[in-house]
Amino acid sequence: RKEVEQDPGPFNVPEGATVAFNCTYSNSASQSFFWYRQDCRKEPKLLMSVYSSGNEDGRFTAQLNRASQYISLLIRDSKLSDSATYLCVVKRSGGYQKVTFGTGTKLQVIP
Amino acid sequence: GAGVSQSPRYKVAKRGQDVALRCDPISGHVSLFWYQQALGQGPEFLTYFQNEAQLDKSGLPSDRFFAERPEGSVSTLKIQRTQQEDSAVYLCASSLGDAQETQYFGPGTRLLVL
Repeated sequence: RKEVEQDPGPFNVPEGATVAFNCTYSNSASQSFFWYRQDCRKEPKLLMSVYSSGNEDGRFTAQLNRASQYISLLIRDSKLSDSATYLCVVKRSGGYQKVTFGTGTKLQVIP
Repeated sequence: GAGVSQSPRYKVAKRGQDVALRCDPISGHVSLFWYQQALGQGPEFLTYFQNEAQLDKSGLPSDRFFAERPEGSVSTLKIQRTQQEDSAVYLCASSLGDAQETQYFGPGTRLLVL
């Protein structure tokens, strides 16, 4: 089983729709969680960190469920510019910042 | 300010050839990471440096892969006797220090081994 798993998609949604992605992780020692966005043929860029209490940044909401070992990303009012691959990232506790990336979920927002 | 830069952006190599990929991290960033990203996959960790010290090289797929950061800034990832399965995008990322969790990625080097 992979340490971090995501549905690769693609998720094809119309503009204005709400879409949610989940990501599961297998290592209970995981401590920090992030969502990165990667546009086609570009480098990953940090979208948002995920906090235990959940956090929101504009149209984006991230949540963490430690008991079930998953994190989620909700995008409201999807825009064409949201089309990208969304990478789930998990960092283990202790030591330095070794992180594990999921394979990514591809989102395509359709006009 | 300047971000992470990588060169070359594209590299085509014949099987068996040696290649060297360069990463210039953000000035002052202590931590530097190399990742390998195959088509349709997420980045896979290769190695980590804290200043000039290579603290983790557990992700290097074989002894043909070697990385260094001799002065604690620029890093080079070298692949000897390249194989077709080495074809991927090689991403470099840096972060300010241990306490900083945000990694800033370079644009990557796209390596194609024929």
